[in-house]
Amino acid sequence: AQSVTQPDIHITVSEGASLELRCNYSYGATPYLFWYVQSPGQGLQLLLKYFSGDTLVQGIKGFEAEFKRSQSSFNLRKPSVHWSDAAEYFCAVARGSSASKIIFGSGTRLSIRP
Amino acid sequence: DTAVSQTPKYLVTQMGNDKSIKCEQNLGHDTMYWYKQDSKKFLKIMFSYNNKELIINETVPNRFSPKSPDKAHLNLHINSLELGDSAVYFCATEGTGEAYEQYFGPGTRLTVT
Repeated sequence: AQSVTQPDIHITVSEGASLELRCNYSYGATPYLFWYVQSPGQGLQLLLKYFSGDTLVQGIKGFEAEFKRSQSSFNLRKPSVHWSDAAEYFCAVARGSSASKIIFGSGTRLSIRP
Repeated sequence: DTAVSQTPKYLVTQMGNDKSIKCEQNLGHDTMYWYKQDSKKFLKIMFSYNNKELIINETVPNRFSPKSPDKAHLNLHINSLELGDSAVYFCATEGTGEAYEQYFGPGTRLTVT
C-alpha cells in the first residue's frame, strides 16, 4: 500500500533563510506526488505536483520540489522564506489509476522566526 | 467570490445529535470530496462524488451519509454523533483534466461534547 512520511513535525526557520521540508513515500511504481499548504484556519492549497518528466518541479509562491527515485523522496524547498510562509505543509502521494486516492502525510508545521 | 464554501464554519453539538455540513462550489468541477482532518492534522478521504454519483466510500461508519443534490453541492449528514467525530471536515473539488489538483473549502470544525 502506498504511504507518505513527513519526518519533521515542526520546523522553525528565520525569515530570509532557506527551507527544506522532507517527504518520503512508499509506492511500488512511479507515484504522483504533491505538496499542499494549509494556512491557519484555511483549507489546503496545491503548491506543486509531479507526475513525470523533469524531476525538479516549480510551484507557486517560489517553492520547488525535487523527485529522487533512488531515495523515494520528494522534498520541498524555498531559497528564502517569508513570514507569510508560516503554515502547515502536507506531502501527498497518489496512484495514477484513481483520482480519488490521494494519501496525505501527517504534515510539517513551519514557523518563521523574525 | 469564494470557489468552495462550507457552512457552518464551526459546529458544536452534543453526543447523539444529528447534524449536516453543506458544501457549495462555483468552479463547475465534476468531482467533489469530503475529507476528515483529526486533531493530529491527519487528513483522510471519506467520500468522493462525480457528477452526483458516489465514486469512493472509504471505511466510514454508515452514520455518515453524503448527498449531492446537484453538481455544485455536496452535503454531509451525520447521525448519532460521537465524541470521536470531532474533527475538521473539508470539502474539496477537482475538475476534469486537472488530475489531483483539488480545491479545498475552508473547513468545518465539528466539536462533539
